[in-house]
Amino acid sequence: KAGVTQTPRYLIKTRGQQVTLSCSPISGHRSVSWYQQTPGQGLQFLFEYFSETQRNKGNFPGRFSGRQFSNSRSEMNVSTLELGDSALYLCASSVIQTEQETQYFGPGTRLLVL
Amino acid sequence: AQSVTQLGSHVSVSEGALVLLRCNYSSSVPPYLFWYVQYPNQGLQLLLKYTSAATLVKGINGFEAEFKKSETSFHLTKPSAHMSDAAEYFCAVSGTAGQNFVFGPGTRLSVLP
Repeated sequence: KAGVTQTPRYLIKTRGQQVTLSCSPISGHRSVSWYQQTPGQGLQFLFEYFSETQRNKGNFPGRFSGRQFSNSRSEMNVSTLELGDSALYLCASSVIQTEQETQYFGPGTRLLVL
Repeated sequence: AQSVTQLGSHVSVSEGALVLLRCNYSSSVPPYLFWYVQYPNQGLQLLLKYTSAATLVKGINGFEAEFKKSETSFHLTKPSAHMSDAAEYFCAVSGTAGQNFVFGPGTRLSVLP
């Protein structure tokens, strides 16, 4: 069974631009979560989608948004990019949305904002 | 709110020596606990998880962890370190309703020849 895939793997943008990242979960997984990983802040939860609905949201500004499609694929969008948005963005999928469910991670998208 | 602390942001061991990575959690409800490993430029890989069954949990690559409720700990161990174990290790606790996983700050493991 294929793992979680994320595209693109690397991205360079400039301040003020917007970016869209994509995540395809493991087949059969309906929950997709997004995390931001930086050296200073570690792993921080962004949001979680289940059956096309945002179920949970972390403490990030409204510039960060996401959505999930009927095939469970998810996209994350960041508008008006800031230098501090440079990070590794990780997507994780799980079968169903419970807090105990094991999350399986993709390789991440590394975003550099110049 | 749930939280996780990992004592030691960087741990160095010699090849063949015991690996011990510490994790303590706070939780108002019986937790589910996880250890993940991250190799450079990769995502996180599940090592093992505790889900209220056996308190000693065996994972992949020879790692194991013991859940100790009285100490609110879930330390990760491996009897003999290998060079390929060099990576960053994250402990995580499952969130309460309405919250997702909470990760610790991570411990970078170096294995010296």
